[in-house]
Amino acid sequence: EVQLAESGGGLVQPGGSLRLSCEASGFNFNTFSINWVRQAPGKGLEWISYISLTSGSIYYADSVRGRLTISRDIAKNSVYLQMNSLRAEDTAVYFCARSRNSGMDVWGQGTTVTVSS
Amino acid sequence: DIHMTQSPSSLSASVGDRVTITCRASLRISTYLSWYQQRPGKAPKLLIYAASNLQSGVPSRFGGSGSGTEFTLIISSLQPEDFGTYFCLQSYSTPWTFGQGTKVEIK
Repeated sequence: EVQLAESGGGLVQPGGSLRLSCEASGFNFNTFSINWVRQAPGKGLEWISYISLTSGSIYYADSVRGRLTISRDIAKNSVYLQMNSLRAEDTAVYFCARSRNSGMDVWGQGTTVTVSS
Repeated sequence: DIHMTQSPSSLSASVGDRVTITCRASLRISTYLSWYQQRPGKAPKLLIYAASNLQSGVPSRFGGSGSGTEFTLIISSLQPEDFGTYFCLQSYSTPWTFGQGTKVEIK
């Protein structure tokens, strides 16, 4: 079965750090780009980052640029999101999603990040 | 940034009704537009990609059209399982941006 599975969420204090993981299974991970999308409580969806299949292209939303870093490990079929200098407004469910045909066709179940003192 | 405006923000319709949701882009985006359904507590699900292409496994009552700045998602005959919030997404240029969502309720 084609799947993405996020992990690494949790409660962190403002200014703290977390690393989210997105592990792929059931498909050739090397041939797809991956996105991170988040959803604050009761709000809509916000695209925050993209990494191409070779890591040659990386993009960030302005709201996270300089604080979040996306990377991928082909050997581990995984994409990571290193989150530093976290703020209350980063509180959200974080999804990873596979890019295909100008859409996002496979999504993980999400991992929750709560930034609070 | 390209701003995506969806309308309506919510709707209530009966089983069997035809439902239309519109998404308008602030700049021309060709057909780099996709539609998603999200049920409460769940991940979004891709319905339509490249403006008018039905994702594999999605019922044929869902359809998409448009190009440039105006796009439409149509549910030809609303079913009970179609409740949830629908989002459009432009992937023409970064930052990719979602519409604010349309909440669909079944009467």
